[in-house]
Amino acid sequence: DGGITQSPKYLFRKEGQNVTLSCEQNLNHDAMYWYRQDPGQGLRLIYYSQIVNDFQKGDIAEGYSVSREKKESFPLTVTSAQKNPTAFYLCASSIHTSMNTEAFFGQGTRLTVV
Amino acid sequence: KNQVEQSPQSLIILEGKNCTLQCNYTVSPFSNLRWYKQDTGRGPVSLTIMTFSENTKSNGRYTATLDADTKQSSLHITASQLSDSASYICVVSPFSGGYNKLIFGAGTRLAVHP
Repeated sequence: DGGITQSPKYLFRKEGQNVTLSCEQNLNHDAMYWYRQDPGQGLRLIYYSQIVNDFQKGDIAEGYSVSREKKESFPLTVTSAQKNPTAFYLCASSIHTSMNTEAFFGQGTRLTVV
Repeated sequence: KNQVEQSPQSLIILEGKNCTLQCNYTVSPFSNLRWYKQDTGRGPVSLTIMTFSENTKSNGRYTATLDADTKQSSLHITASQLSDSASYICVVSPFSGGYNKLIFGAGTRLAVHP
């Protein structure tokens, strides 16, 4: 069935490690996004991509990296430079990046630093 | 600074009762306002999306209203059910020439008790 799939659902990282969160969509959407959600705060944009092989920094890109080699996939790497990585990460997609387009979200990955 | 403020932070109601959640925003000009429902540990799911020219939009037992003059929106839930227990997030999209930017409120956590 169609949708956005994030994996894994739970991820544990040791201090100093890089980890990669997966996001795959089969909605044929051009635009994809990564958000971070912390308790008591609204979602904040990390990176977004409007088309394959293109991506732009969002509001809190420091310590994160992304790639968009395929239309269906937009993985997020949390690097050791991200000082406070413990959070709930949400991937989203929309048919394109114009205003008023519906954004569909995955089920999230909860990252915990141990 | 563009902001979206929601109230109350949390709310408890009895099954079958109605409730209204509030959203105030400072985003101006804006393109659209959305309400999402987010179950614990899951991704947000769209309930309604209203452009700046719309005053009300319904989705089943959910009715959103928008007053662009006072920069206020509300989400009314009728005849609440246990499955309505979730966080409800107000999201405003600025009127910009760029990507599908979304500014998220922190959400109202609703608990429906039997």
